[in-house]
Amino acid sequence: QKEVEQNSGPLSVPEGAIASLNCTYSDRGSQSFFWYRQYSGKSPELIMFIYSNGDKEDGRFTAQLNKASQYVSLLIRDSQPSDSATYLCAGRGKFNKFYFGSGTKLNVKP
Amino acid sequence: GAVVSQHPSWVICKSGTSVKIECRSLDFQATTMFWYRQFPKQSLMLMATSNEGSKATYEQGVEKDKFLINHASLTLSTLTVTSAHPEDSSFYICSASLRGNEKLFFGSGTQLSVL
Repeated sequence: QKEVEQNSGPLSVPEGAIASLNCTYSDRGSQSFFWYRQYSGKSPELIMFIYSNGDKEDGRFTAQLNKASQYVSLLIRDSQPSDSATYLCAGRGKFNKFYFGSGTKLNVKP
Repeated sequence: GAVVSQHPSWVICKSGTSVKIECRSLDFQATTMFWYRQFPKQSLMLMATSNEGSKATYEQGVEKDKFLINHASLTLSTLTVTSAHPEDSSFYICSASLRGNEKLFFGSGTQLSVL
C-alpha cells in the first residue's frame, strides 16, 4: 500500500470555478501534509502545508485535513488557466522523510 | 523561501559513463538533503536521505553502489550515477529542509538522458 494516494485525473474545471483535489494517507504517524504544484519538466513548488485538523486558507487556496479519516484536500477558488499543473500531495513521516502521492493533473479551461 | 540550487539542469551521456549532480543550499545550512527520482508522468520516488558527515540512507530497492551520495558539508550534497544505463534516464531532484522547519524545498532538478 502506498503511503499517500491521489487520483491521477485529469481533473478539468472551467476558469473561475473551484477545483477540489483530494489525497488519502496510510501512516497515522504522519503529522504534516503538503501540497506542491509541479509544471511539466520543472521541480515541485510548495503551495501549502497543514498539520492541524480543519481548514487553512491562503489566498485562493484552502487546505483541509481530517486526521480521523486520514484525508487531505486542496481547494483552489477562482481557478485560472495558469493553475493548470500536476498537484502533488505529500506527507511527512518518520525520520523527516516526505512521501509523495502520484499527483493529480489539473486542467483549467479558459 | 529557502533556495536550493541544483546543477546541471540537464545532461546527456553515453551508456557506461558516470554523471555527478550537485545540490547546494544557498542561504541556509541543510543537515539533511533528500534525493528523489521521477519518471515521466509518475510521482517523486525517494531514493536516499543524505546526512552531513555520515553515510546516506537508501530506500529499499535503490542500489547504493550505483547511486553514490556524498554530503561533505552543510551546504552541498552530490549524487553520482555510476556506469549509467538508458534505464537510469530520469528526472533527479534534490531537496532540503531547514532545521526546525517543516517545509521541504526543492532544487530545480536534473534531467538525465543516457544514450
